[in-house]
Amino acid sequence: GIQVEQSPPDLILQEGANSTLRCNFSDSVNNLQWFHQNPWGQLINLFYIPSGTKQNGRLSATTVATERYSLLYISSSQTTDSGVYFCAVATNSGYALNFGKGTSLLVTP
Amino acid sequence: SAVISQKPSRDICQRGTSLTIQCQVDSQVTMMFWYRQQPGQSLTLIATANQGSEATYESGFVIDKFPISRPNLTFSTLTVSNMSPEDSSIYLCSAWTAQETQYFGPGTRLLVL
Repeated sequence: GIQVEQSPPDLILQEGANSTLRCNFSDSVNNLQWFHQNPWGQLINLFYIPSGTKQNGRLSATTVATERYSLLYISSSQTTDSGVYFCAVATNSGYALNFGKGTSLLVTP
Repeated sequence: SAVISQKPSRDICQRGTSLTIQCQVDSQVTMMFWYRQQPGQSLTLIATANQGSEATYESGFVIDKFPISRPNLTFSTLTVSNMSPEDSSIYLCSAWTAQETQYFGPGTRLLVL
């Protein structure tokens, strides 16, 4: 099956700092989504981005499908950004998502 | 977008018993899925819940252990049967929407003693 690798696995930031999270995948995809899992376990959909660039407030994402990677940018981080960020992809053969292991982010005051 | 609810939100069960988790979507969706998230781990797909037919299970998951029903386009259930402590996880329901985005329910936190 498709492999999804996320880096870094862990990240500690001071409030106000910027960060870039990376997701590499091993095959062509027809769906790529970024999720934030908050400390209460809720998965929040951040971006649907199989290709191109999108922005939503302090967050933006870029996927270069031909090179099989995606980046999630967090600017001016806040303590509420803490949690685990997952990249998940679906291949052309189906709709089910394959998740990476996530990046655990802690933003300190 | 889709709003997905799950019941129960959490439960503590004795080994050997079974628990049925309900998933309700606020609109009709074509595809629904069940995932498991073991403590400190990522999400793993259990099965695709097919409306009107048997679920499609991923490798390592079997119908006898995780029977799934999907009687209509907005509702599905997952049963965790003959539970053991290794089944302690968060179980999440998701739905694929017309906007080509997958949304997740809040999860069911299960602890098996």
